Amino acid sequence: EDQVTQSPEALRLQEGESSSLNCSYTVSGLRGLFWYRQDPGKGPEFLFTLYSAGEEKEKERLKATLTKKESFLHITAPKPEDSATYLCGDTGRRALTFGSGTRLQVQP
Amino acid sequence: GAVVSQHPSWVICKSGTSVKIECRSLDFQATTMFWYRQFPKQSLMLMATSNEGSKATYEQGVEKDKFLINHASLTLSTLTVTSAHPEDSSFYICSAARGDSNTEAFFGQGTRLTVV
Repeated sequence: EDQVTQSPEALRLQEGESSSLNCSYTVSGLRGLFWYRQDPGKGPEFLFTLYSAGEEKEKERLKATLTKKESFLHITAPKPEDSATYLCGDTGRRALTFGSGTRLQVQP
Repeated sequence: GAVVSQHPSWVICKSGTSVKIECRSLDFQATTMFWYRQFPKQSLMLMATSNEGSKATYEQGVEKDKFLINHASLTLSTLTVTSAHPEDSSFYICSAARGDSNTEAFFGQGTRLTVV
């Protein structure tokens, strides 16, 4: 059964304290592994799509990496405005299938 | 990025009434749009895939007679919650992908439905 599992469920960081979010997947025929950011009461905002093991993409303080079994979203020196829920998932189907998300809170 | 507009942002309705939610792709054509439902502190659950000019494909467990989906044009899909009940209260979100690619889907801002 295809599965996408995110950890931790919640993460609290101090401003400037770097960390990583994990997304493990067991998806047959993975077409792409994506990351979105979602603020409360809003729709997800696209961040990255990764297609092959070893691929990396960066955007401001965020860097996403992909291996054959998992993806990491590295957050370097986070700021309070980085507080949000980060969702990963696969594009193995026509629609996007999401993991349960990691709720990140960055305290000043 | 492309813009997907969802309307209304929030709605309160009485039990037994129907509510229509619109999802529009403003600057691109979307042959396929997707409808998701999200409960508090949970992830998005796919409800159905909306295809322009044809019937929607519903996920297992989603009542197609309760959640009516119409995709009449390449820029508009609607979700109608019929005979709404309090348990239908949720956050509904649509998304659209450009062309044949689903690797960068664009989401609407969501609709908060409260049934009283």
